[in-house]
Amino acid sequence: DTEVTQTPKHLVMGMTNKKSLKCEQHMGHRAMYWYKQKAKKPPELMFVYSYEKLSINESVPSRFSPECPNSSLLNLHLHALQPEDSALYLCASSQDFGTYEQYFGPGTRLTVT
Amino acid sequence: GQNIDQPTEMTATEGAIVQINCTYQTSGFNGLFWYQQHAGEAPTFLSYNVLDGLEEKGRFSSFLSRSKGYSYLLLKELQMKDSASYLCAVRDGGNNRLAFGKGNQVVVIP
Repeated sequence: DTEVTQTPKHLVMGMTNKKSLKCEQHMGHRAMYWYKQKAKKPPELMFVYSYEKLSINESVPSRFSPECPNSSLLNLHLHALQPEDSALYLCASSQDFGTYEQYFGPGTRLTVT
Repeated sequence: GQNIDQPTEMTATEGAIVQINCTYQTSGFNGLFWYQQHAGEAPTFLSYNVLDGLEEKGRFSSFLSRSKGYSYLLLKELQMKDSASYLCAVRDGGNNRLAFGKGNQVVVIP
């Protein structure tokens, strides 16, 4: 199984809403990542978790709050987002942070109205 | 920091060979990855180079020259399904972050 799953596939939310994005992998990977990708742009790293601990926060605004409940799950909690936060949010995992390739989930297409 | 440069778009005919180049500048180097991304979908891992030379995987090959800060991805026997964006990504040896280039859009025509 080399699959990373993400839910929901699409999400539309207002600026006052609270929602969560979910990511799951069962490959035994110890590193998990959140990326943001705008149209026709490359993915931009947001957060890295290594062994369930937050290793990197790329100066992401606090309206994005990551959580790693266990080694297979990664959440991204969203609150008071802005329209410019509309993007494709990609989750990825790798065997370890800093080694091996990253496997990406299908992404959540987020629209903030 | 890292600076990764890729050409933006190219068109090629089904059955042809296409080479996609990537140049990079990085303060530390710990590997270069190639990903394929179809529109609206997630990037899919294609290849990994950390030592100089050519890595071959079926119809796809990737080459790396660390001294020149240069890599290419070679796609042979092009198929319509190969129409996608091809992203070059460099891992920084100091902080292990993966930095992506802007991607090269390949359009395959009959």
